[in-house]
Amino acid sequence: VLTQSPGTLSLSPGQRATLSCRASQSVSSSFLGWYQHKPGQAPRLLIYGASSRATGIPARFSASGSGTDFTLTISRLEPEDFAVYYCQVYGPELGTFGPGTTVDVK
Amino acid sequence: EVQLVQSGAEVKGPGKSLKISCQAVGLQYPSHWIGWVRQRPGKGLEWMGIVYLADSDAMYSPSFEGQVTMSADKSTATAYLQWSSLKDSDTAIYYCARLFAMVSLFDIWGQGTRLTVSS
Repeated sequence: VLTQSPGTLSLSPGQRATLSCRASQSVSSSFLGWYQHKPGQAPRLLIYGASSRATGIPARFSASGSGTDFTLTISRLEPEDFAVYYCQVYGPELGTFGPGTTVDVK
Repeated sequence: EVQLVQSGAEVKGPGKSLKISCQAVGLQYPSHWIGWVRQRPGKGLEWMGIVYLADSDAMYSPSFEGQVTMSADKSTATAYLQWSSLKDSDTAIYYCARLFAMVSLFDIWGQGTRLTVSS
């Protein structure tokens, strides 16, 4: 089971966003990723292997973590970054998404 | 460039059957897993399962085992998601996505198929 916090993060453009994803038991970092999802669009893979940016993802997105605790950081929010962010892991019960963190405009 | 093209929106009554599709355009070989993800109205993403395009081998998340059937046609590089008896609770957007096999995450997504089940 994955939990994400906070549920909602209200920030202004230019601010730093720090999102957390916690697993109920240790997971392999190789199979931990983060997605961005905007209304009316398909989700987009941002991060794979816990810390590697997917193709075309700007450098303001970074991620880290291991074991049960993982973090996605957006260094300076751009207007297009306001969205829902999900962590996902692949493990013994196949794939699982976290409940998501909404990053909205303060 | 690989693209996933999904079939159009559906409106069906409870108890009806349905099969939606996801065609992988631009794939050179069908040696890929395609997954399905559900998003109910106002809710988050749910990982349903994956199907191998080359031989229709499928693996289901425990929550979806027995509720849906995933299959594939390698000649057209198309994955399918099927229901035998729809329920109101199946109302959702269904996304297909290609599994980035090295890390078992979804790297290419379809545009989504909106399913409405209503009497």
